[in-house]
Amino acid sequence: GAVVSQHPSWVICKSGTSVKIECRSLDFQATTMFWYRQFPKQSLMLMATSNEGSKATYEQGVEKDKFLINHASLTLSTLTVTSAHPEDSSFYICSVRPLAGSTDTQYFGPGTRLTVL
Amino acid sequence: AQKITQTQPGMFVQEKEAVTLDCTYDTSDPSYGLFWYKQPSSGEMIFLIYQGSYDQQNATEGRYSLNFQKARKSANLVISASQLGDSAMYFCAMREGNDYKLSFGAGTTVTVRA
Repeated sequence: GAVVSQHPSWVICKSGTSVKIECRSLDFQATTMFWYRQFPKQSLMLMATSNEGSKATYEQGVEKDKFLINHASLTLSTLTVTSAHPEDSSFYICSVRPLAGSTDTQYFGPGTRLTVL
Repeated sequence: AQKITQTQPGMFVQEKEAVTLDCTYDTSDPSYGLFWYKQPSSGEMIFLIYQGSYDQQNATEGRYSLNFQKARKSANLVISASQLGDSAMYFCAMREGNDYKLSFGAGTTVTVRA
């Protein structure tokens, strides 16, 4: 069964509104979660690393004020797209690195498809 | 510079045949890990196989095997006995050192023909 969930699975919103996407680890605790975005037929691009109890680490070129990340607990990270615009329409995927176990194990969520009108 | 290069945008393979997906990587860190993921049209990322830089043997997982050639910095994925359900996008990815984030290649779309 799924070990990482994302909610919502898809969302359509009007330009200028904010959208929150949740990434939840179901089977284990995680101090580190990652947020990726993927445009149609393109690769996954890392946006930021979400760290429990501290600020997220953003990749170069990603606006931290636009993509707010909160890692509130060991099982939940949220990505808020603020003042969304059509160019923010994309597939957003999170991945989770378990607190325990191999460093090489990562589990991906099912993704959230965001469409901004 | 691109860390992961996948040069095949798309491939067709006949059902029951084998297919090799190319992946080359670039890193100066002696410790790294290489991953292959499958992404069907639903969008979920399915982990297939992993190879660590210090692993002596090539990784295998069922019908998936990884042809790891360290000197050439290549980590090709071989899918044997292709099935219709193998039709999907395949991504090669790498983590470096103690950093757990992944760098992905551009992906290869595989279409299996009956």
